[in-house]
Amino acid sequence: DVVLTQTPPTLSATIGQSVSISCRSSQSLLHSNGNTYLNWLLQRPGQPPQLLIYLVSRLESGVPNRFSGSGSGTDFTLKISGVEAEDLGVYYCVQSTHAPTFGGGTKLELK
Amino acid sequence: EVQLVESGGGLVQPGRSLKLSCLASGFTFSNYGMNWIRQAPGKGLEWVASISSSSSYIYYADTVKGRFTISRDNAKNTLYLQMTSLRSEDTALYYCARHQGYDYWGQGVMVTVSS
Repeated sequence: DVVLTQTPPTLSATIGQSVSISCRSSQSLLHSNGNTYLNWLLQRPGQPPQLLIYLVSRLESGVPNRFSGSGSGTDFTLKISGVEAEDLGVYYCVQSTHAPTFGGGTKLELK
Repeated sequence: EVQLVESGGGLVQPGRSLKLSCLASGFTFSNYGMNWIRQAPGKGLEWVASISSSSSYIYYADTVKGRFTISRDNAKNTLYLQMTSLRSEDTALYYCARHQGYDYWGQGVMVTVSS
């Protein structure tokens, strides 16, 4: 199984601060069709997850452009350029190039 | 508006069975692959099973293979998860989610396996 390792597990930030979350895969996520199926989700407290970023760097419709994704192969990053209060929650990376797996999550909290 | 509504959860004894449903609306259900994903209390997300739009391709996590069966009825816009031989470690909130991109999720349905 592909293991996704997210760091850090917890992130404390002030409003307006820019932060990054890393997601490292135990195998390349480049599919034979040329796509890399690595997505980022945000789960706010008491809510189901919501899609933020798909195919590494594509912003889901309706998601603020302070969110951005980058990376390739086995190393991926989610960046939030200017944290807002509504961004608090747990962020997950998920891959579906292979049998789907989720990262362990990164909890974003206010400092 | 896309909606996914899960149902069928509850308290069940170990070794018993339960069938979950996910009613989809607001999109052409028969065009999309679907997934079941679960979240144990206080834990992260775990993929459970996936099914392609026409049911041609079905995949399971090793933790549920041989015990759970994913299926769908495109005429009823409904996704199912038949769970048998339930164990305490299957206790979780079960979500259905659309597509390989996980772009829409239901609110989840709780399954508690306990004697």
